[in-house]
Amino acid sequence: KQEVTQIPAALSVPEGENLVLNCSFTDSAIYNLQWFRQDPGKGLTSLLLIQSSQREQTSGRLNASLDKSSGRSTLYIAASQPGDSATYLCAVQNSGGSNYKLTFGKGTLLTVNP
Amino acid sequence: DGGITQSPKYLFRKEGQNVTLSCEQNLNHDAMYWYRQDPGQGLRLIYYSQIVNDFQKGDIAEGYSVSREKKESFPLTVTSAQKNPTAFYLCACGTPAYEQYFGPGTRLTVT
Repeated sequence: KQEVTQIPAALSVPEGENLVLNCSFTDSAIYNLQWFRQDPGKGLTSLLLIQSSQREQTSGRLNASLDKSSGRSTLYIAASQPGDSATYLCAVQNSGGSNYKLTFGKGTLLTVNP
Repeated sequence: DGGITQSPKYLFRKEGQNVTLSCEQNLNHDAMYWYRQDPGQGLRLIYYSQIVNDFQKGDIAEGYSVSREKKESFPLTVTSAQKNPTAFYLCACGTPAYEQYFGPGTRLTVT
């Protein structure tokens, strides 16, 4: 059974700092890994999708890496801003079975202080 | 505008009543999903559908039912058999093995 773990559970940083969020998964048989952002009481916004054949994806100040063999992914946020404050969720789409469901971690709550 | 919508945003029901949550998408995706989110837990899959008139149980389907009569719509009914229905419900759509897109969610409170 796939399990996804995110570390740390919460992180508080001053504005302008670069930071790294970590995600690990137990089963490397995945199609892809997706990073999401969730604001309080809102739905999920997709940030980056990394296919299993890829090593990293970049969007603006965000860079996500994937090491499928070790079951790890990182989300790097450069020059953090107060508007980056949110919960960040990592999810993997399993290639075993037929439902293509996402298995989620519990998230990292990020607070960027002005 | 293309996207995935859910309604209502907030829903309040008395215990013992069935309630239906709406999910509509105009992204032309075949696959649709219902997840449940509880505080301190990751999202969990309730039901999914990969094609019209076909759907499958996810990890926590007990007490829920769905239908998929149209490609654009995938309503979820929370029945009185669901023991802990109070939660945040999220609908998603996508192409299998590719990105999933989520709606804004419905917060259901049952008292």
